[in-house]
Amino acid sequence: DAGITQSPRHKVTETGTPVTLRCHQTENHRYMYWYRQDPGHGLRLIHYSYGVKDTDKGEVSDGYSVSRSKTEDFLLTLESATSSQTSVYFCAISELATGELFFGEGSRLTVL
Amino acid sequence: QQQVKQSPQSLIVQKGGISIINCAYENTAFDYFPWYQQFPGKGPALLIAIRPDVSEKKEGRFTISFNKSAKQFSLHIMDSQPGDSATYFCAASGDTDKLIFGTGTRLQVFP
Repeated sequence: DAGITQSPRHKVTETGTPVTLRCHQTENHRYMYWYRQDPGHGLRLIHYSYGVKDTDKGEVSDGYSVSRSKTEDFLLTLESATSSQTSVYFCAISELATGELFFGEGSRLTVL
Repeated sequence: QQQVKQSPQSLIVQKGGISIINCAYENTAFDYFPWYQQFPGKGPALLIAIRPDVSEKKEGRFTISFNKSAKQFSLHIMDSQPGDSATYFCAASGDTDKLIFGTGTRLQVFP
């Protein structure tokens, strides 16, 4: 299994509070991604990174920010969580731009 | 705007039958078409992938059929088994670093 760790795995928070999800990899892969998974929508890309301090927006980036200060860590931040951000969040890594994605086991976030 | 459209949303197949999941795309710049398999509580994992220079790719019981002119590709699972019960996602990427996923198909294979 690819060395990807997501934390926390489960979190319940209240509307308006900040939340940070962490993705840590031990594979030294260049590309890292944050997706959210919702019923009827599949997996939607939030943000991705193609190197340290190099990030770009995905298709559903509003309300989210990311940071990558080290190759191994990619943080996803919800500055002020809303109920619409209740979802399962997956981190993924890839060695190549269009290569195989390796996914973490997900972080389930509930915003009350 | 869904760039990759997947159907059906759910599929029930008897053991030994053929499971077929279809996807259609719009962006002609797409040149990489993978299928991912996801079991409950787990992250998706790559199952099989194809590039448009071939019309079919087979790995064991899993086959991707690709129709470039129709902008469609499909996953066929031969001799479906209960262990194949999972959610399947098609995806596509092209001239960017982004992999765009379909909405997923929940497959249930009954003995």
